[in-house]
Amino acid sequence: NAGVTQTPKFRILKIGQSMTLQCAQDMNHNYMYWYRQDPGMGLKLIYYSVGAGITDKGEVPNGYNVSRSTTEDFPLRLELAAPSQTSVYFCASSHYRDGPNYEQYFGPGTRLTVT
Amino acid sequence: GQQVMQIPQYQHVQEGEDFTTYCNSSTTLSNIQWYKQRPGGHPVFLIQLVKSGEVKKQKRLTFQFGEAKKNSSLHITATQTTDVGTYFCAGLAGNQFYFGTGTSLTVIP
Repeated sequence: NAGVTQTPKFRILKIGQSMTLQCAQDMNHNYMYWYRQDPGMGLKLIYYSVGAGITDKGEVPNGYNVSRSTTEDFPLRLELAAPSQTSVYFCASSHYRDGPNYEQYFGPGTRLTVT
Repeated sequence: GQQVMQIPQYQHVQEGEDFTTYCNSSTTLSNIQWYKQRPGGHPVFLIQLVKSGEVKKQKRLTFQFGEAKKNSSLHITATQTTDVGTYFCAGLAGNQFYFGTGTSLTVIP
């Protein structure tokens, strides 16, 4: 299993540009998450999904959009990039089964700079 | 809004000394998880605590969940250089995980 994969690893965007961060998992997990991590800080939840076709906002959703058309993929869309979106973005997945087990598996992250 | 605070922010210890990081939530949590992140890496799951007052051990690591399910701690006995990294707690409130700000551990050989 590859686990959780993310592309690209690094990206520099100009202010106002748009891009999609890709995330895929091959563990058949039903839950998927997008977090951002600013330097020296913890992770903040942007969006999450409990299954294909179902998404919901997290703590910091403004400026982002997601979709979940398949169990495997959970892309994050940035529209009109702003310097405040400079961060490291982590995708994660977990599988809810037999009780409250939400162990999250993280991808390697995407480092995004908006200038 | 929901807040999860973690202290200390940084900790430098001599190899062999003990280390503790504390996590406090403004509201009651359904469960709490702990993660370790090495510099430049991604968070790696360590453990999940669900029950009030729960204590779990993994070799030199001891995890506790408070009676009120609003606080938690991670204690490492006799630190080693391999323990270097940032330790995060993540509390589940509603359907969302709220991460603490992390404690960065440096172990001096």
